[in-house]
Amino acid sequence: AQSVSQHNHHVILSEAASLELGCNYSYGGTVNLFWYVQYPGQHLQLLLKYFSGDPLVKGIKGFEAEFIKSKFSFNLRKPSVQWSDTAEYFCAVGGSQGNLIFGKGTKLSVKP
Amino acid sequence: AAGVIQSPRHLIKEKRETATLKCYPIPRHDTVYWYQQGPGQDPQFLISFYEKMQSDKGSIPDRFSAQQFSDYHSELNMSSLELGDSALYFCASSFGQNSGNTIYFGEGSWLTVV
Repeated sequence: AQSVSQHNHHVILSEAASLELGCNYSYGGTVNLFWYVQYPGQHLQLLLKYFSGDPLVKGIKGFEAEFIKSKFSFNLRKPSVQWSDTAEYFCAVGGSQGNLIFGKGTKLSVKP
Repeated sequence: AAGVIQSPRHLIKEKRETATLKCYPIPRHDTVYWYQQGPGQDPQFLISFYEKMQSDKGSIPDRFSAQQFSDYHSELNMSSLELGDSALYFCASSFGQNSGNTIYFGEGSWLTVV
């Protein structure tokens, strides 16, 4: 069965610091990968997704992620975080029936 | 742009009562998914429907049932509620059920069981 693991439970950064959130998935075949963000008290919003092609994917709000097939990884990055990036970030892999399988999430706290 | 609409947004029920959550997908989306997110937890897939037929089943308890209607809206029925059912219930929709399709989430329905 497919699974997703996110390495960090809680990350605390100062504004302007660089961010990298780890994500590894278990499935060895063709995968569709997603990063969603959940701001406090809000619903999940899609940050970016990878289906095929260029392994470096750019999303909204300055986020990007790199798909490294050999490492089964899809890490999320942002060069310079802002206080408004404080949220929980979920990595997900697309299931066979189109549903999403989420990782446990990483809480990001950005100190102003 | 129209998004996924869920109602009610907040619901308080007592143990052993029943609750029904409704979901209206984005227009022209034919696939609906239900997720449960407990406090501090990741969203857990419950069940999905494609073209009004159940397409996949996750960790949905037997006390819960769901369906998708002819207008593509979906309802999640929860009976014999337990305290542990308190959670945020997300509905999501997509066009088609290909795993590459983007899934859009609603704002969720908060269920509190007391």
